[in-house]
Amino acid sequence: GAVVSQHPSWVICKSGTSVKIECRSLDFQATTMFWYRQFPKQSLMLMATSNEGSKATYEQGVEKDKFLINHASLTLSTLTVTSAHPEDSSFYICSASGTSVSYEQYFGPGTRLTVT
Amino acid sequence: AQSVTQLDSQVPVFEEAPVELRCNYSSSVSVYLFWYVQYPNQGLQLLLKYLSGSTLVESINGFEAEFNKSQTSFHLRKPSVHISDTAEYFCAVRNAGNMLTFGGGTRLMVKP
Repeated sequence: GAVVSQHPSWVICKSGTSVKIECRSLDFQATTMFWYRQFPKQSLMLMATSNEGSKATYEQGVEKDKFLINHASLTLSTLTVTSAHPEDSSFYICSASGTSVSYEQYFGPGTRLTVT
Repeated sequence: AQSVTQLDSQVPVFEEAPVELRCNYSSSVSVYLFWYVQYPNQGLQLLLKYLSGSTLVESINGFEAEFNKSQTSFHLRKPSVHISDTAEYFCAVRNAGNMLTFGGGTRLMVKP
C-alpha cells in the first residue's frame, strides 16, 4: 500500500512553454502533498506544501507565480512550471501524506524536466 | 529550526565489507528520524525510521540505525554490503508539522 505515482516520468519542453506534472496517491487519501526539487548530486529541496482544497504554502525563494500548485482532490496534486527556462531543468519529486498513513510521507518516482 | 548533517558525501566500500553512513541532527524538540534510499532516476524509498521506543531500528534488507540522543546521531549501518546497495542515502528529520528536513545525502558506492 501507500503508492504514489507521478506523470510524466520525464519531459522535454522548449523555453517559454509551460509543463504540468501530476502527482497521484493511488491507494490512500492524501490530505497533504509536498513538492521537492532536486539538482544533480544534491539533496531534496522543499518547494511547497499543499493541503487539499487550500492554497499551497511556498518555501522562501520559490516563485509561486512560476510554480503553480493545485491540490483539488484528495488523490491528485499538480505542479505547473510556467514559462519554463533552462534553469528550471531539474528532477521534481512529490510526496503525499495523510491520516491513513499516519502522516508519513510517501514519495513519487520523480519527474525529470529538461528545458531546451 | 531543525537541520541534518551527513558528514560523508561519498562512501566507497568493497562488497561484503561493513559500512556506516553518518547522520547528525539538531532539533530543539522531540524528533522523528528517517533514512531514505534513492536509486538513479528514481524517487525516495523509506529504508527505516525511528519514532519512539527501541533506539535500534532495522530494515528488511539488513540495514540498521541507532538513535543516540546524547550524540544527536542516527547513523546507518550494514554488516555486509552488496553491489545492489549502491545508491544515494538520505537522512531526514520530521517536525511537528510533518515536514521533512533532509541531509545532503551520502553516495554509497559498493565495489566488487
